[in-house]
Amino acid sequence: GAVVSQHPSRVICKSGTSVKIECRSLDFQATTMFWYRQFPKKSLMLMATSNEGSKATYEQGVEKDKFLINHASLTLSTLTVTSAHPEDSSFYICWGGREGGEAFFGQGTRLTVV
Amino acid sequence: AQSVTQPDIHITVSEGASLELRCNYSYGATPYLFWYVQSPGQGLQLLLKYFSGDTLVQGIKGFEAEFKRSQSSFNLRKPSVHWSDAAEYFCAVGPSGSARQLTFGSGTQLTVLP
Repeated sequence: GAVVSQHPSRVICKSGTSVKIECRSLDFQATTMFWYRQFPKKSLMLMATSNEGSKATYEQGVEKDKFLINHASLTLSTLTVTSAHPEDSSFYICWGGREGGEAFFGQGTRLTVV
Repeated sequence: AQSVTQPDIHITVSEGASLELRCNYSYGATPYLFWYVQSPGQGLQLLLKYFSGDTLVQGIKGFEAEFKRSQSSFNLRKPSVHWSDAAEYFCAVGPSGSARQLTFGSGTQLTVLP
């Protein structure tokens, strides 16, 4: 079946550095990629929606300059957390969608900023 | 606006007992409904989904869910719970017709007693 591969699964970085998270759709073209963030004991919150070849649409309250999203091709979307701080520590999950309603989650990335 | 309510934050059952996790949604059109499971530190795994047709949906790991339009519910059931079912369960709703973002419930944490 269709798979979205997300890397890395875990990353620890120093405060002030940037981290890039990749999501690749392995056997389908993800025209849309959604990026979610999950806080401890909380549900998943949509951060942004990216469409291939266009700028991402961010949800209210999400800093565009901090969470850079690039969807350069139909099989790759990236989320870069810039100048990371401890409060950015979270579980980030991508969700790749295609026409017809089917969409698939990546495995998630546990980001810890120290 | 669409919304999902999972009224039970935490449920504890004994191994071998039956299980029902509640999910109520609010949506203005025909919804896509999903149940996902998340083990600690892991990504999301799709258990089952409802798009149309038979309102009783069979999923993986012996789970099933029933869509009841009149009650705006999509409860998840399993006749006999296994210890490995202990995890967090999320109900989600999305618009039909194209790949759009999902709205998640707040999750139900399932504990299974030996």
